[in-house]
Amino acid sequence: EPEVTQTPSHQVTQMGQEVILRCVPISNHLYFYWYRQILGQKVEFLVSFYNNEISEKSEIFDDQFSVERPDGSNFTLKIRSTKLEDSAMYFCASRSQFDNQPQHFGDGTRLSIL
Amino acid sequence: QKEVEQDPGPLSVPEGAIVSLNCTYSNSAFQYFMWYRQYSRKGPELLMYTYSSGNKEDGRFTAQVDKSSKYISLFIRDSQPSDSATYLCAMSVWAAGNKLTFGGGTRVLVKP
Repeated sequence: EPEVTQTPSHQVTQMGQEVILRCVPISNHLYFYWYRQILGQKVEFLVSFYNNEISEKSEIFDDQFSVERPDGSNFTLKIRSTKLEDSAMYFCASRSQFDNQPQHFGDGTRLSIL
Repeated sequence: QKEVEQDPGPLSVPEGAIVSLNCTYSNSAFQYFMWYRQYSRKGPELLMYTYSSGNKEDGRFTAQVDKSSKYISLFIRDSQPSDSATYLCAMSVWAAGNKLTFGGGTRVLVKP
């Protein structure tokens, strides 16, 4: 069964450094998402992306965050200057173009900011 | 009031029992409802999804939606130790993008 793939599984970064989290969505999917889950808390929406542009973003997704689809298969989340509070699991999700189809998630990248 | 509320558990049941999980929500604009299972240090795995009131069955899983009461449920029949996980409800309004709003998850432990 096709799946969403995320790399790396664990990223350790010094505070203030830039980090890029990578995702390969399911191949025929057109909508892409990033969510995060701080330890012990809910999964929270960050951003949705369709047709090479952001379709919606949360208040968490400030100017330090950006997303990009650099080629036909990858979808990336960049955090420009990481903060301690950015430590969390980051999940990528994708879905097909049909509105009644659900999102499928990757296994996440655990981001640890030191 | 939180948009989506879910009892955190833990919910402990003996193997073979029925597991009953539920979520309440406050936003009447939610139209699309999902249940995900999450094992430790893994991503949410889709179990069930529906966009209408009533019941939907898939194998050992039954999802119920009551939009008038803003209440959804998931039942797991003949529970197995491998069903031990955190179960997340999620929902979205009917719009392009369809961002998901999650409950906090219920931890379930099925004891052999």
